[in-house]
Amino acid sequence: GAVVSQHPSRVICKSGTSVKIECRSLDFQATTMFWYRQFPKQSLMLMATSNEGSKATYEQGVEKDKFLINHASLTLSTLTVTSAHPEDSSFYICSATTGQGFIGGYTFGSGTRLTVV
Amino acid sequence: GEDVEQSLFLSVREGDSSVINCTYTDSSSTYLYWYKQEPGAGLQLLTYIFSNMDMKQDQRLTVLLNKKDKHLSLRIADTQTGDSAIYFCAESGAGGTSYGKLTFGQGTILTVHP
Repeated sequence: GAVVSQHPSRVICKSGTSVKIECRSLDFQATTMFWYRQFPKQSLMLMATSNEGSKATYEQGVEKDKFLINHASLTLSTLTVTSAHPEDSSFYICSATTGQGFIGGYTFGSGTRLTVV
Repeated sequence: GEDVEQSLFLSVREGDSSVINCTYTDSSSTYLYWYKQEPGAGLQLLTYIFSNMDMKQDQRLTVLLNKKDKHLSLRIADTQTGDSAIYFCAESGAGGTSYGKLTFGQGTILTVHP
């Protein structure tokens, strides 16, 4: 079945530094990838939708200059948290779809736990 | 915008059935999903149902959809301790700016006692 690999699974960084999270579709071409943020014991909040080769579409309230998304190929999307601060600490999850229809078509990565100290 | 609501907690004994309920507001939802999340992990798709279906059964899982009341439920038969996790209900929009986006409920924490 479809597999999405997300790395790193856990990262601790100093305040003010940037962190890059990768999301790869291993056995299918992902025309669309979604980035979510999850706070402890809360639901997933969609941050942005990225389509290969075009600019990401950000949800209202998400700072596009802080959360840089690049979807340069059909198998890779990256989320860079720039100038991270402790309030950016969270669980970030990506999902990917082929865009051929959404019947069971969302595959999620295993998530990245970001801790900013 | 779209809204999905779930009860936050459910506790059952091993071997009993679990029923997790979900309500949604988007009448144009095309697909409705149930995902399972174990601690520190991503989301695992359990099952999904198309909006023109009333019921779907897959081994121990039964999904019921009442489109009139916008109510979705997930029944887990013979619940095991390994079923303890957070269960998310989600719906995908039909068109426009919501097409393809998933809206998640808050998640139901299922605890299975031996």
